[in-house]
Amino acid sequence: GDSVTQMEGPVTLSEEAFLTINCTYTATGYPSLFWYVQYPGEGLQLLLKATKADDKGSNKGFEATYRKETTSFHLEKGSVQVSDSAVYFCALTPYSSASKIIFGSGTRLSIRP
Amino acid sequence: EPEVTQTPSHQVTQMGQEVILRCVPISNHLYFYWYRQILGQKVEFLVSFYNNEISEKSEIFDDQFSVERPDGSNFTLKIRSTKLEDSAMYFCASNPTSGSGDTQYFGPGTRLTVL
Repeated sequence: GDSVTQMEGPVTLSEEAFLTINCTYTATGYPSLFWYVQYPGEGLQLLLKATKADDKGSNKGFEATYRKETTSFHLEKGSVQVSDSAVYFCALTPYSSASKIIFGSGTRLSIRP
Repeated sequence: EPEVTQTPSHQVTQMGQEVILRCVPISNHLYFYWYRQILGQKVEFLVSFYNNEISEKSEIFDDQFSVERPDGSNFTLKIRSTKLEDSAMYFCASNPTSGSGDTQYFGPGTRLTVL
């Protein structure tokens, strides 16, 4: 079945460092891809999304490009801030079933001042 | 900005008891969902609901679980006889449409602890 694999955490970086969180997926057809973020004590918030190959999603300085050839959707940010500390989830909705989101295991990111 | 709300924020119950988790989706949304996240694990889909019936459910959503939209605003998840392994964070979500790329809006979650 469809699945999402993302890099294990926790990831600890210094403020202003470059961030990459790797995400790959397995799916039939053309899923839509998402990154959700969960700040401490809060629910899941959509960070960005891409619905077709080569689309780039972006928000709050974060970017991810839908790569069909490598089945990847890596999250990047050029300069992280302490306020970016959170758990990041890569996710997809299958093309055949728009009614559910399949999540990766999450990557905890901690940013040191 | 409208948001999905969930009550209670934390529910503690004894094994074997029934619990009802409540959600108020965003008012013009038509599609509703429940997910759960066992501590330290990934978020898992439980069920989707549209037009007063279940659209899809996962293998987790067995006969112990049920969902209902009792009054046009609330959306509830009932667990009939809770087990220790039901301890988890339960998230409600909603969206106005249900295309593959459509965003689901999540509530803050209810933490269920089964003793």
